[in-house]
Amino acid sequence: DIQLTQSPSSLSASVGDRVTISCRASQSIRRYLNWYQQKPGKAPKLLINDVSTLQSGVPSRFSGSGSGTDFTLTISNLQPEDFATYYCQQSYETPPITFGQGTRLDIK
Amino acid sequence: LQLVESGGGLVQPGGSLRLSCTTSGFRFSDYWMSWVRQAPGRGLEWVANIKQDGSEYYHVDPVRGRFIISRDNAKNSLYLQMGSLTAEDTAVYYCVREKGDFWSGDDAFDLWGQGTMVVVSS
Repeated sequence: DIQLTQSPSSLSASVGDRVTISCRASQSIRRYLNWYQQKPGKAPKLLINDVSTLQSGVPSRFSGSGSGTDFTLTISNLQPEDFATYYCQQSYETPPITFGQGTRLDIK
Repeated sequence: LQLVESGGGLVQPGGSLRLSCTTSGFRFSDYWMSWVRQAPGRGLEWVANIKQDGSEYYHVDPVRGRFIISRDNAKNSLYLQMGSLTAEDTAVYYCVREKGDFWSGDDAFDLWGQGTMVVVSS
């Protein structure tokens, strides 16, 4: 099974900051990496698929990059509504579909 | 576009439960569908998925042999039959649509239900 390791597990930032969340795969997953945002008590929401394709309605301050085993989610100019938990997920070598353990983004 | 789960609740260890997911607003029979769960305070875990026509389905190792995913395209509904439940199965269970092709790798979970809580406890 492909393991996804996110770092950091949590981070604190301020409105207006730029933050980066990393996701490392245990083996190459080419570009089949997706990112989700989850707010407390809510279902996850797909933000980005295939490393860098933003879903409709997702603000352009969100961006993704990477390939192979190392991937990054970047949020520029953090807004209050961006404070949430973020998960990466691979769809390359399945089953099983696997998620990273999550990165909690808090307000500093 | 809507996915609505039902069937969760409190069940004793060793017991069974059947989750249902009723969908609307899209052509259900065109999509792979999944169940994803989240234990309290924990991350996301994919549980199972099923092909458009129900001819293929896969389950994650911890539930294989205990859970069975199924679908009824005539009713636009997805199901998860859960058996031999343990405390480790306690979680919110989400019904999820897959936007791509499972075997191509170009796949993602683009539509989620609100989830149904399953608590396994005596």
